[in-house]
Amino acid sequence: GAVVSQHPSRVICKSGTSVKIECRSLDFQATTMFWYRQFPKQSLMLMATSNEGSKATYEQGVEKDKFLINHASLTLSTLTVTSAHPEDSSFYICSARDGGEGSPLHFGNGTRLTVT
Amino acid sequence: QKEVEQNSGPLSVPEGAIASLNCTYSDRGSQSFFWYRQYSGKSPELIMFIYSNGDKEDGRFTAQLNKASQYVSLLIRDSQPSDSATYLCAVWQKVTFGTGTKLQVIP
Repeated sequence: GAVVSQHPSRVICKSGTSVKIECRSLDFQATTMFWYRQFPKQSLMLMATSNEGSKATYEQGVEKDKFLINHASLTLSTLTVTSAHPEDSSFYICSARDGGEGSPLHFGNGTRLTVT
Repeated sequence: QKEVEQNSGPLSVPEGAIASLNCTYSDRGSQSFFWYRQYSGKSPELIMFIYSNGDKEDGRFTAQLNKASQYVSLLIRDSQPSDSATYLCAVWQKVTFGTGTKLQVIP
């Protein structure tokens, strides 16, 4: 089955620093990947759609200059949280499809970010 | 109106019973419907997907889709304590998730 690998699984950083999260599709190519954020006891919130070779599409209210997305290849998308603050502490999850628009999303294991 | 709506629960069922989870959606043009299970602190995992009206069965799970009424449901037969999790309904056209229903299976 389709496997999405996300790294790191857990990161702790200090306020003001930047953190990069990687999302890889291991056994398929993904022209589109999705980045979600989930706060405790809340639902998944789509942050942005990452498009290979072009700019990401951000959801309303998500700062594109703070959450930098790069989708440089068909198997790798990265999310960089710049100048992190404690309120950015959350569970970040990437996902990708291994088929057309109607096919299921497969999720990475998520990255738990804690900003101190 | 939210695009995808679910009762947040918790829905409590005794072990061995049938758990019934429901979801309604607003976009009548939606074509693909998915159920994901999410354990606490983990990312979602796909359980079922359904594209056509009617029922689709996979082991203890049955997904039901009624496009005219714009609802999709998930039945879990012979519920087990290990089924205790949050179940997310997802609908696309646009990649949209419901808020999830927390299921508790009581031994």
